[in-house]
Amino acid sequence: TQLLEQSPQFLSIQEGENLTVYCNSSSVFSSLQWYRQEPGEGPVLLVTVVTGGEVKKLKRLTFQFGDARKDSSLHITAAQTGDTGLYLCAGPTSTTDSWGKLQFGAGTQVVVTP
Amino acid sequence: GAVVSQHPSRVICKSGTSVKIECRSLDFQATTMFWYRQFPKQSLMLMATSNEGSKATYEQGVEKDKFLINHASLTLSTLTVTSAHPEDSSFYICSARAGTSGRYEQYFGPGTRLTVT
Repeated sequence: TQLLEQSPQFLSIQEGENLTVYCNSSSVFSSLQWYRQEPGEGPVLLVTVVTGGEVKKLKRLTFQFGDARKDSSLHITAAQTGDTGLYLCAGPTSTTDSWGKLQFGAGTQVVVTP
Repeated sequence: GAVVSQHPSRVICKSGTSVKIECRSLDFQATTMFWYRQFPKQSLMLMATSNEGSKATYEQGVEKDKFLINHASLTLSTLTVTSAHPEDSSFYICSARAGTSGRYEQYFGPGTRLTVT
């Protein structure tokens, strides 16, 4: 199993501030995904990155996949209270798995206050 | 977009009883479904992978006789927690995928909160 480490574990910021969440591994991933999960709900896919060095933007969210495909980051610009949630990165469990099983990082709890 | 539902959303049962959780893909056929559990303030842990018409594959450390998974059709998978104990209390989440390859996106259900008293 290739481990995914997320940092920080918890982040509290005020509305309008920027924040960055990191997802790191010592292993190479063919792809990484970012999800947001709200309390009592299932995770919702935000983005999938597949190419080393790739940058994807989703409104105020910017996702980057490291050149070596071992790490990824999520940057939120001008955070809003609606961005509050648990942010999870996920990737394939192994290079040989054919079922597409996912493993998740521990998550970063983001709290945006007014 | 693809929708996955779970039923019930919350269930409370007494220790020693069994409880069944349903996972349905509402607008697509799910060849593969996954079951996860999530403890408070923790991440999702994959429990098992099920493919329609075949036996589920369980992750290491997950008791297959305790967590019975049935994927009887392309739109329904069930997880039965047998002889539940308080330590089985958790948030159970399923996901479904239209294809067998990892290239297909997984769609997650809203989760089921199980409390064993």
